[in-house]
Order: sequence, then C-alpha cells, then structure tokens
Amino acid sequence: KQEVTQIPAALSVPEGENLVLNCSFTDSAIYNLQWFRQDPGKGLTSLLLIQSSQREQTSGRLNASLDKSSGRSTLYIAASQPGDSATYLCAVTGNQFYFGTGTSLTVIP
Amino acid sequence: NAGVTQTPKFRVLKTGQSMTLLCAQDMNHEYMYWYRQDPGMGLRLIHYSVGEGTTAKGEVPDGYNVSRLKKQNFLLGLESAAPSQTSVYFCASSYSPLGGELFFGEGSRLTVL
Repeated sequence: KQEVTQIPAALSVPEGENLVLNCSFTDSAIYNLQWFRQDPGKGLTSLLLIQSSQREQTSGRLNASLDKSSGRSTLYIAASQPGDSATYLCAVTGNQFYFGTGTSLTVIP
Repeated sequence: NAGVTQTPKFRVLKTGQSMTLLCAQDMNHEYMYWYRQDPGMGLRLIHYSVGEGTTAKGEVPDGYNVSRLKKQNFLLGLESAAPSQTSVYFCASSYSPLGGELFFGEGSRLTVL
C-alpha cells in the first residue's frame, strides 16, 4: 500500500523567509502528485498538480518539484507571508488518492 | 462556479439517530469520494464512486452507506450514528484518479453525542 509522509509536522518561520515543505512516498508508480492548502475549519484547496511526466510546476510564489525515482516532492514557497499560514498536504495518485498528514505552517509577522 | 458543494455544513446528532450528507458537483466528474478527517489520522477514504449508479468501499466504510443515483450527486448516510463518527466529512470529485485533479467541498462537521 502506498504510504505518504510529510516532515516536519509543523514549521514556524519569520515573514519573508523562503521555505521548503517535503513530501515522500513509498511507491514510485504514481500518475500525479497534488499539493493542497487547508485553512482551519475549511476544505482543501488545490495549489499545484504535477503529472508523472513532469518535473515541476509553478504558480506565483509556489514551486513544486517531483522526483518519482526517489519518491520525493518538495513545495517551495518564496518570500513567505503571514497569509501563507495554513496546513499543506500532498497527495499522490495511483488507482486512488493517497494523502500525507500535512505540515502546519505558521509565518510570523 | 460552485465546484463541490456539501450540505449541511454542521450537524449535531444523538447516538442512534440517522442522517444523510449531500454532495453535489457541477464539473461533470465521473469520480466522487467521501473522506473523514480526524486529528492525527489525516484523511481516510470512506466510500467512493466511479460513475452514476456505482459505489465502492474505501478504507473505513463500516457504519456508512452511500448512493450515486445521479452523476452530480453523491450521498453519504449514517443509519445509526455513534460517537466514533464525530468527525469532519469531506466530499471530493475528479475526472479520473489517473492524472485528474481532485477538488474538495468545504466540509461537513458532524458531532454525535
């Protein structure tokens, strides 16, 4: 069974810092990897989708990379802002979606 | 541009009562999913559907039933609610898990007393 791990579980950084969130998975036979943001009491909002044939995707200050062979993905957030504070989850797709438990990010003004 | 809509957003039940959560999507997606999210447990798949008239069990199906009578709707039922079913329930849909993007509703918070 696919296992998805996100380390660290929580991260606190000062405003303006660049940061990297990690996602690792055990089975490299995936179709895509998706990064989500979840604000407290809210649903999951899709941030970036990387197809298995792609290496990275960018949206504004966000850049996600995918290395299938090593079973890793990273989400890079540039120039972090307090509004980036949220929980970030990754999900990989095989015959269904497999989720990590997320990294709770706090950006301190 | 509604996307995935869940109703109700909040509900309090007494043990043994029944209820139905409704999920509606307007993206013509074939695949629909019900998840529950609990602290420290992450998202766990309850049931899913690969098209109108089909349903399948996920990771934690016990105590729940589902129906997909129309392509745009996916219903999650609790026949006899238990305190262990206190959770936040999320509905999601996708064109396909094989490369398709997953879209979530805002969630339904259920408390069983």
